[in-house]
Amino acid sequence: KNEVEQSPQNLTAQEGEFITINCSYSVGISALHWLQQHPGGGIVSLFMLSSGKKKHGRLIATINIQEKHSSLHITASHPRDSAVYICAVSRDTGRRALTFGSGTRLQVQP
Amino acid sequence: NAGVTQTPKFQVLKTGQSMTLQCAQDMNHEYMSWYRQDPGMGLRLIHYSVGAGITDQGEVPNGYNVSRSTTEDFPLRLLSAAPSQTSVYFCASSSLLAGGGNEQFFGPGTRLTVL
Repeated sequence: KNEVEQSPQNLTAQEGEFITINCSYSVGISALHWLQQHPGGGIVSLFMLSSGKKKHGRLIATINIQEKHSSLHITASHPRDSAVYICAVSRDTGRRALTFGSGTRLQVQP
Repeated sequence: NAGVTQTPKFQVLKTGQSMTLQCAQDMNHEYMSWYRQDPGMGLRLIHYSVGAGITDQGEVPNGYNVSRSTTEDFPLRLLSAAPSQTSVYFCASSSLLAGGGNEQFFGPGTRLTVL
């Protein structure tokens, strides 16, 4: 079993829909990261959080430490939100490198 | 600030050739790492460094070498390229705040094909 699991793997939505991507992890963490990768593009950090909730524009990230679960929400989705969204965790022991989920491919249709 | 830069963007090698992927950052970050991204497998850590002169192995280090002679640069060397090393390679850097959980900044990636 992977240490970081994301669902769904693929998601197609209509423009304007509310989108939720889920991430569960099985290890102790110091922080959880949400990353965005456009097709053929680089990787951009959206959020880093260790508790509670963060909001940036139409994006909201939440984390429940007790349940080892995080969600990324996109409100009023737009075709430019089409990308792969990756959940990653920083372990609370050992090296600082990230452990990644396999990503959620989001397609928002106009 | 240029952030994290990687060169080249694309590279085609023949089996057995060697090459170096370059990575540099101008944010004075102590921590730098190399990941490879393969379809359906997510990103995996190859090597990392917590400062000049200090490197360590990640999950998939075989076939790769690294060195960190300066804070800014962290090159990745492929010793004898194999088709299994066909992948997209990302370099990342972050500061080393107490307690971990530091925002990582990624380079644009190098797409490598080994024939």
